[in-house]
Amino acid sequence: GAGVSQSPSNKVTEKGKDVELRCDPISGHTALYWYRQSLGQGLEFLIYFQGNSAPDKSGLPSDRFSAERTGGSVSTLTIQRTQQEDSAVYLCASSSTGGGNIQYFGAGTRLSVL
Amino acid sequence: AQSVTQPDIHITVSEGASLELRCNYSYGATPYLFWYVQSPGQGLQLLLKYFSGDTLVQGIKGFEAEFKRSQSSFNLRKPSVHWSDAAEYFCAVGVYNQGGKLIFGQGTELSVKP
Repeated sequence: GAGVSQSPSNKVTEKGKDVELRCDPISGHTALYWYRQSLGQGLEFLIYFQGNSAPDKSGLPSDRFSAERTGGSVSTLTIQRTQQEDSAVYLCASSSTGGGNIQYFGAGTRLSVL
Repeated sequence: AQSVTQPDIHITVSEGASLELRCNYSYGATPYLFWYVQSPGQGLQLLLKYFSGDTLVQGIKGFEAEFKRSQSSFNLRKPSVHWSDAAEYFCAVGVYNQGGKLIFGQGTELSVKP
């Protein structure tokens, strides 16, 4: 596609439910990143994919968070048993090869946990 | 550890006035540096980047930034601000040996007075 696409744009869920957030990167981009933007913590790195592998998962805040990438393209971030502190905007970015290359961001998914 | 500091949380300037947003970084090698802008409800848009070479870099929308190694700074400037520049601005360092993940500053919110 022309840019990074994220869905849904907004998600409201109840505490304890599982949610899946989707990211469709720019076609041909091998590197994909997830970040979280929250009022208290600013913009935080969550996980990095190179192809379908995730060499850096160091930013995932707990084992309730997981992510996968299939076919070197679409990625899904899953949050199990959501908590109120998970409320944030989840941003996805992609770049052509990783390293120091420019990352292009999607518009984000705003997650609200009630 | 790598870090980025944006000392000013909120800045207000008059339309037509000059602008400088401050950014200081901590990084053990030559950094990859970025400035991104975020308008309400939008993802991050790249304004400019520094990888190497000329320490004064030009970006989109009339912005420029200067890399000063001795001061560990990468300040963003614009000679004449337009009302449409009101947004949040983020400075970031790319961690090259960790897949290029971005470490962001806390952001500076810019308001423009008519």
